[in-house]
Amino acid sequence: AQSVAQPEDQVNVAEGNPLTVKCTYSVSGNPYLFWYVQYPNRGLQFLLKYITGDNLVKGSYGFEAEFNKSQTSFHLKKPSALVSDSALYFCAVRDINSNYQLIWGAGTKLIIKP
Amino acid sequence: DAGVTQSPTHLIKTRGQHVTLRCSPISGHKSVSWYQQVLGQGPQFIFQYYEKEERGRGNFPDRFSARQFPNYSSELNVNALLLGDSALYLCASSPDRAYTGELFFGEGSRLTVL
Repeated sequence: AQSVAQPEDQVNVAEGNPLTVKCTYSVSGNPYLFWYVQYPNRGLQFLLKYITGDNLVKGSYGFEAEFNKSQTSFHLKKPSALVSDSALYFCAVRDINSNYQLIWGAGTKLIIKP
Repeated sequence: DAGVTQSPTHLIKTRGQHVTLRCSPISGHKSVSWYQQVLGQGPQFIFQYYEKEERGRGNFPDRFSARQFPNYSSELNVNALLLGDSALYLCASSPDRAYTGELFFGEGSRLTVL
């Protein structure tokens, strides 16, 4: 079965420091991977995706993610964190066995401290 | 251009009642998906509609139903409400069935069942 794991419930980073939010996945076949962000009382916003090609994917708001096939990971990164990056981050994988619907991780709360 | 709009934004129901949630996709988008997000968890896929036909269904009981209208707007109906149905219900639209693309989310309808 397809699945996504976000091993950290919360990540705390000081403003200006690099940040990493971890995601691992389990799929049969080639993965379609996504990151979304959710601000309080708001819907989800797309950040970036990996379908094929370069393992380093660049997205919105200065975020990037690195696809690692051998480690089945798709970690979200940013070189220098901003307080405004504080939000809930979700990793998702498209399920080719269920009409290509998205399977979501449980989310990681990112807190950036000034 | 307007984004995905959902109504109502908040509602309170009692057990056994029925609820209808509404979603208007971005203009030109033909696919609408519904997700349930329980507090502290990632979204769970409920339905996808494309060109007014059901294209996918998640692991939800028959109390959950949906439909898509000729203008591509959609309704999610839940009968015989249970306390466990309390959640944020998210609607997402996309131009196509979004096998590889991003989903555009509304801000959700927060349902509380007492």
